[in-house]
Amino acid sequence: KQEVTQIPAALSVPEGENLVLNCSFTDSAIYNLQWFRQDPGKGLTSLLLIQSSQREQTSGRLNASLDKSSGRSTLYIAASQPGDSATYLCAVPRAGNNRKLIWGLGTSLAVNP
Amino acid sequence: DGGITQSPKYLFRKEGQNVTLSCEQNLNHDAMYWYRQDPGQGLRLIYYSQIVNDFQKGDIAEGYSVSREKKESFPLTVTSAQKNPTAFYLCASRTGDDYSNQPQHFGDGTRLSIL
Repeated sequence: KQEVTQIPAALSVPEGENLVLNCSFTDSAIYNLQWFRQDPGKGLTSLLLIQSSQREQTSGRLNASLDKSSGRSTLYIAASQPGDSATYLCAVPRAGNNRKLIWGLGTSLAVNP
Repeated sequence: DGGITQSPKYLFRKEGQNVTLSCEQNLNHDAMYWYRQDPGQGLRLIYYSQIVNDFQKGDIAEGYSVSREKKESFPLTVTSAQKNPTAFYLCASRTGDDYSNQPQHFGDGTRLSIL
């Protein structure tokens, strides 16, 4: 049974720091891995989707990597800003298709000015 | 602008009452989803629909019902059988079929509380 774990649960850093968020999964036969951001009291925003054949995806200051063999993905945020403060969630599809996702509990990030 | 609209933003339910949460999308997406989010728990799938007039139960469907009469709309009814309905409810949609690598898009949620 696929399980998704995110460590740490919470992180507080000073502005300008580069940081890494971790996501691990137990079954390496994933279709893709997705990273989302959630601001307090809001819905989720898709950040990056890494297909199973890819090793990484980049969008602006964000870079997500995928290592299926070790069951890990990392989200790297460069030069963090207070506006990056949010909860970051990762998710993988279940059972070989993209219909339903299994979600991690998220990492709550605070970037302090 | 295309997107997903959930209404109302806040909703209060009395004991024994059914309430309906609205979800409308103008993204022309085929698939739509309802999730429940509770503090300290991951997102849990309530119902999903891949096409009009078809929907499947998710992991926690008991006490909930849905309909999908139009592509754009996927309302969720929280029935009186749902004994612990207080939560944040999120609607999402996605384009493509089961094998397309497209992410889900989310509305801004409805927070449901018990009076």
